[in-house]
Amino acid sequence: SQTIHQWPATLVQPVGSPLSLECTVEGTSNPNLYWYRQAAGRGLQLLFYSVGIGQISSEVPQNLSASRPQDRQFILSSKKLLLSDSGFYLCAWSHGTSGNYEQYFGPGTRLTVT
Amino acid sequence: AQKITQTQPGMFVQEKEAVTLDCTYDTSDQSYGLFWYKQPSSGEMIFLIYQGSYDEQNATEGRYSLNFQKARKSANLVISASQLGDSAMYFCAMLRNSLFTGTYKYIFGTGTRLKVLA
Repeated sequence: SQTIHQWPATLVQPVGSPLSLECTVEGTSNPNLYWYRQAAGRGLQLLFYSVGIGQISSEVPQNLSASRPQDRQFILSSKKLLLSDSGFYLCAWSHGTSGNYEQYFGPGTRLTVT
Repeated sequence: AQKITQTQPGMFVQEKEAVTLDCTYDTSDQSYGLFWYKQPSSGEMIFLIYQGSYDEQNATEGRYSLNFQKARKSANLVISASQLGDSAMYFCAMLRNSLFTGTYKYIFGTGTRLKVLA
């Protein structure tokens, strides 16, 4: 069966510090991968998605970046965090082929920028 | 513009009663999919139900059913026989399928917080 992992689960970082959030998927190959951010009490905002290794599409221009160094690994980074980067970050995957469109979400990382 | 609208920020329902959560969407795509997710206070996103734009019958999954009215562009979630464990945030989402890249992008609504009363 497929599983998706995210770490860390919670993170408190000062403004201006770097960020690295990691997401890995097991039990499937060539998935589509997604990073979302959810501000407190709000909906999900798509940040990045990837259809393959090294292929990243950005949905919202900001100080965050994403990389996909391996097929089932997706990393969200920042060189300098802003207060507005606080939120709940969710990684998700979906099948890379048609017929099964469900997205499967990881447990999330709660980031607080102080 | 592609958009999902959930106009009910909060809803209350008595235990064992049915409740309908509203969702309308806007798209120019011919082929799309509609989803409902549940997010408890723990933060995890739990898939509930899926409806394809070409599906003629409304989707059902246990106590969940999706009232799909294509002409009105609505995809309301109906929860029958509400339980205390149904208290959570509920998100409606739309899938956009890019035929060119094979990418599936999802657009989420702002959510409805449901509280089930004992």
